[in-house]
Amino acid sequence: KAGVTQTPRYLIKTRGQQVTLSCSPISGHRSVSWYQQTPGQGLQFLFEYFSETQRNKGNFPGRFSGRQFSNSRSEMNVSTLELGDSALYLCASSLGRGSTDTQYFGPGTRLTVL
Amino acid sequence: KQEVTQIPAALSVPEGENLVLNCSFTDSAIYNLQWFRQDPGKGLTSLLLIQSSQREQTSGRLNASLDKSSGRSTLYIAASQPGDSATYLCAVSGGATNKLIFGTGTLLAVQP
Repeated sequence: KAGVTQTPRYLIKTRGQQVTLSCSPISGHRSVSWYQQTPGQGLQFLFEYFSETQRNKGNFPGRFSGRQFSNSRSEMNVSTLELGDSALYLCASSLGRGSTDTQYFGPGTRLTVL
Repeated sequence: KQEVTQIPAALSVPEGENLVLNCSFTDSAIYNLQWFRQDPGKGLTSLLLIQSSQREQTSGRLNASLDKSSGRSTLYIAASQPGDSATYLCAVSGGATNKLIFGTGTLLAVQP
């Protein structure tokens, strides 16, 4: 079974631009979560989607948004990019939201904002 | 507010040694706890998941324990190998949610 895939793997943008990242979960998984990883802040939760609905949101500004489609694929969007948005963005998928549901992570998208 | 701490931040051991990584959390009301490894510049690989009602889980040379009341988990790696070199992260979930709160990680180097 294919793992979690993320596209693109690398992105370079300039301040003020916007960016869209994509995540395809493992087949059959209905939950997708997004995380931002930086050297200074570590891994921080962005949002969680389950069955096309946002179930949980982290403490990030409104410039960060996301959505999930009927096939469980998810996208996240960052508008008006700032230098501090440079990070590795990881998505994770799981079968459901139960206590036994392991989360499987993709390889990440490395975003650099110049 | 849940906080997760991992000690030590870095660890270097010779090949073949058994080792223990520590994870502590401030709020014992967790749903589950997961251990991951991350290779440089890569995503996270799930190692073990322990439900809040469980005490330990084992997979190969790895054994993870959970003591909810004291807010601690340990990851035991037996007979370490150079291929075990990576950053190890623990993460807790606080309810029927997939929101994980991560520790800062332990960077492990196994010297051949």
